[in-house]
Amino acid sequence: DVKVTQSSRYLVKRTGEKVFLECVQDMDHENMFWYRQDPGLGLRLIYFSYDVKMKEKGDIPEGYSVSREKKERFSLILESASTNQTSMYLCASKRANQPQHFGDGTRLSIL
Amino acid sequence: AQSVTQLDSQVPVFEEAPVELRCNYSSSVSVYLFWYVQYPNQGLQLLLKYLSGSTLVKGINGFEAEFNKSQTSFHLRKPSVHISDTAEYFCAVSWIQGAQKLVFGQGTRLTINP
Repeated sequence: DVKVTQSSRYLVKRTGEKVFLECVQDMDHENMFWYRQDPGLGLRLIYFSYDVKMKEKGDIPEGYSVSREKKERFSLILESASTNQTSMYLCASKRANQPQHFGDGTRLSIL
Repeated sequence: AQSVTQLDSQVPVFEEAPVELRCNYSSSVSVYLFWYVQYPNQGLQLLLKYLSGSTLVKGINGFEAEFNKSQTSFHLRKPSVHISDTAEYFCAVSWIQGAQKLVFGQGTRLTINP
């Protein structure tokens, strides 16, 4: 079974902090994704990566960056956290022509 | 550009009643279609997918969906729901080419009443 692990289920940070969200998958998937989920808006794509050191912007990349130094790990970085980045963050991975597999999410609060 | 519309934000039904959750999409190219379920405090779990072939797709937990190309719809159905089906359901589409990013609908919260 595919396992996508997000390092934290709940995280509380302060405005202006640099925040790292980590995601690890164990199935050698080429593609990895970061979404944020907000009520009434569904899931919106922040960034995705189709290979090591490769990344592309999604629909809402402003205020975020990503890092993929190893195939199994995809990190989301909030350069300077703001209160409007309080949200649920979901990581996913997939192989070509297969469905995405999701982690359990990180609920991030920025105070 | 692709978009997905889930026509109902909330659907309350009684236990053992049938349910249909509606999903319409727009796309100028061929797509894959998915339904995901999210139980409270969990990530998304794949319910079913349409990649090609038969337009009636069966998934886990007794759910099924029908791909209707002419109406650009992919409605989710279950003939008899249980309390345990209470969750949020997301319809999603992806391009067949490229990295196959998912575009999600806004979600439908299904509430089962005893």
